[in-house]
Amino acid sequence: NAGVTQTPKFRVLKTGQSMTLLCAQDMNHEYMYWYRQDPGMGLRLIHYSVGEGTTAKGEVPDGYNVSRLKKQNFLLGLESAAPSQTSVYFCASGFRADTQYFGPGTRLTVL
Amino acid sequence: DQQVKQNSPSLSVQEGRISILNCDYTNSMFDYFLWYKKYPAEGPTFLISISSIKDKNEDGRFTVFLNKSAKHLSLHIVPSQPGDSAVYFCAASAEAGTALIFGKGTTLSVSS
Repeated sequence: NAGVTQTPKFRVLKTGQSMTLLCAQDMNHEYMYWYRQDPGMGLRLIHYSVGEGTTAKGEVPDGYNVSRLKKQNFLLGLESAAPSQTSVYFCASGFRADTQYFGPGTRLTVL
Repeated sequence: DQQVKQNSPSLSVQEGRISILNCDYTNSMFDYFLWYKKYPAEGPTFLISISSIKDKNEDGRFTVFLNKSAKHLSLHIVPSQPGDSAVYFCAASAEAGTALIFGKGTTLSVSS
């Protein structure tokens, strides 16, 4: 039982490049979330999903897209990376919104 | 506008003393509150929670107090240990809600 895993752990991009962050959970959770953490800003919700095939916008969705084609995976895409997207990204999952298990994070730097 | 506020960015405490971390909220629809702990280079982990029907919940050295009339909750750590040094996030959710709302976090430093 691996819990919540995130791929990759680190990534450096140039402005304008695209990439996809993968989140995988093996706990059969319905709810999955993507957050970003920036100094002094706490955890801000980017997008979330309440079940396979569903997605919804969070607090800071601009510049990101997501897909939940399989229940166990939640993908976060950056179509054209900007320096403002330099951050640590956390994925979380849970059976309910009020019980979330977090992955170890992906540290992304956009130059 | 922030719905969950942690007004103290940092707190320093000596080992063995009590640590008190505070959190205020503005949304009266919130009915479940949680504290998460985060070490550097790791994801947040669940620490303790409290439902709005209670005013206190205790788990070992950790106690969370809820004052609904003041829309305020606090986390007490007694006694504090150096291993408690971390960032603590307060979070809240509403019944049938689909997401947690997090505060900005408080960095606790416990010195030996």
